Amino acid sequence: EVRLVQSGAEVKKAGESLKISCKGSGYNFTNYWIDWVRHMPGKGLEWLGIIYPGNSETRYSPSFQGQVTISADKSINTVYLQWSSLKASDTAMYYCARALGGYNWLDPWGQGTLVTVSS
Amino acid sequence: DIVMTQSPLSLPVTPGEPASISCRSSQSLLHSNGYNYLDWYLQRPGQSPQLLIYLGSNRASGVPDRFSGSGSGTDFTLTISRVEAEDVGIYYCMHGLQSPLTFGGGTKVEIK
Repeated sequence: EVRLVQSGAEVKKAGESLKISCKGSGYNFTNYWIDWVRHMPGKGLEWLGIIYPGNSETRYSPSFQGQVTISADKSINTVYLQWSSLKASDTAMYYCARALGGYNWLDPWGQGTLVTVSS
Repeated sequence: DIVMTQSPLSLPVTPGEPASISCRSSQSLLHSNGYNYLDWYLQRPGQSPQLLIYLGSNRASGVPDRFSGSGSGTDFTLTISRVEAEDVGIYYCMHGLQSPLTFGGGTKVEIK
């Protein structure tokens, strides 16, 4: 079974750093792009960016370039999303998802990581 | 960026009746390879989104055949032939044509 398992919920203060993870299993992890998607409370879904774990090639949405960093450790089938200085506006659920057809559709999705940032 | 616009925002449905959701893109999603790079996702309450339809009209594995996707270019439709109670949630369209990927604003389907 193809699965993406994300790290647990985080509660942080503004200005702190954070790194959340997404571990894949059940498929050849290095051969598929992994996307990160944000879901803010009461809002729609937003695409942050994508990484190819095989060579760590990364692309960011212009809206999130410089705001987050996406990385991968293919030796442990894990990709990461990190912030160097959190803001209250980063409070959201973050999902990872495997991309298929190149990087064109997303299946499956991880269970989500809730990040809460207090000011 | 490609802008994705969904309608309606909210859709009250009656079990057993059909339902449809519209998605429009600000530019054509028809690739030169003949495929439309448009997907549909369902986020049930308290769950992660799940893929329903990819490349405009292909049902994902395990998706019931009451779900179908149609359209081409800039206009797309998700149709549920006979709504069931488990179909409630928020439906999103998303384009996969180029970076950045973008989603529609979502359509909330609820039982009348």
